[in-house]
Amino acid sequence: EDQVTQSPEALRLQEGESSSLNCSYTVSGLRGLFWYRQDPGKGPEFLFTLYSAGEEKEKERLKATLTKKESFLHITAPKPEDSATYLCAVQSNFNKFYFGSGTKLNVKP
Amino acid sequence: DTGVSQDPRHKITKRGQNVTFRCDPISEHNRLYWYRQTLGQGPEFLTYFQNEAQLEKSRLLSDRFSAERPKGSFSTLEIQRTEQGDSAMYLCASRPGTAYEQYFGPGTRLTVT
Repeated sequence: EDQVTQSPEALRLQEGESSSLNCSYTVSGLRGLFWYRQDPGKGPEFLFTLYSAGEEKEKERLKATLTKKESFLHITAPKPEDSATYLCAVQSNFNKFYFGSGTKLNVKP
Repeated sequence: DTGVSQDPRHKITKRGQNVTFRCDPISEHNRLYWYRQTLGQGPEFLTYFQNEAQLEKSRLLSDRFSAERPKGSFSTLEIQRTEQGDSAMYLCASRPGTAYEQYFGPGTRLTVT
């Protein structure tokens, strides 16, 4: 069964303290892996798409990487405004998107 | 603003009433998705349209739920005889046929009392 698991569920960091979020997946035929940011009460905001193992994407303090079984979202020197829930999703061969439950990140000044 | 829009943003209804939500996708996007999200969980897929055709429907979508996209542009999601368990955020997303990433609207928060 297609499945996405994110860890940790919650992460508290001090401003400037780098860390990584994990997304592990099992899916029949990966079409793409996606990272989103979601602020409370809002819809998810698209960050990255990764298509194949070894691929990396960067945006400001965020860097996403992909292996055959998992993806990491690395956050370098985070700021309080990076506080949000980060969601991982995969698209299978059957046009379905599966989301993980997210990692709630809290960056303290 | 050229993003995905949803209306209303909030809806409070009494159990047993019918509700309808609207989604306007990004204009050049022919794929449209509906999701439901409860607190602390990721969005759960409900249904998918390619143009006006409803191609996928989740087993989560009971017969009280129906979605339409009559002209391949905006879409509506109707819930009949609402139950308290229907309380959630209902999200709409769209994408073009040439890319897989979906772009989400702000959601409609439904509260069933």
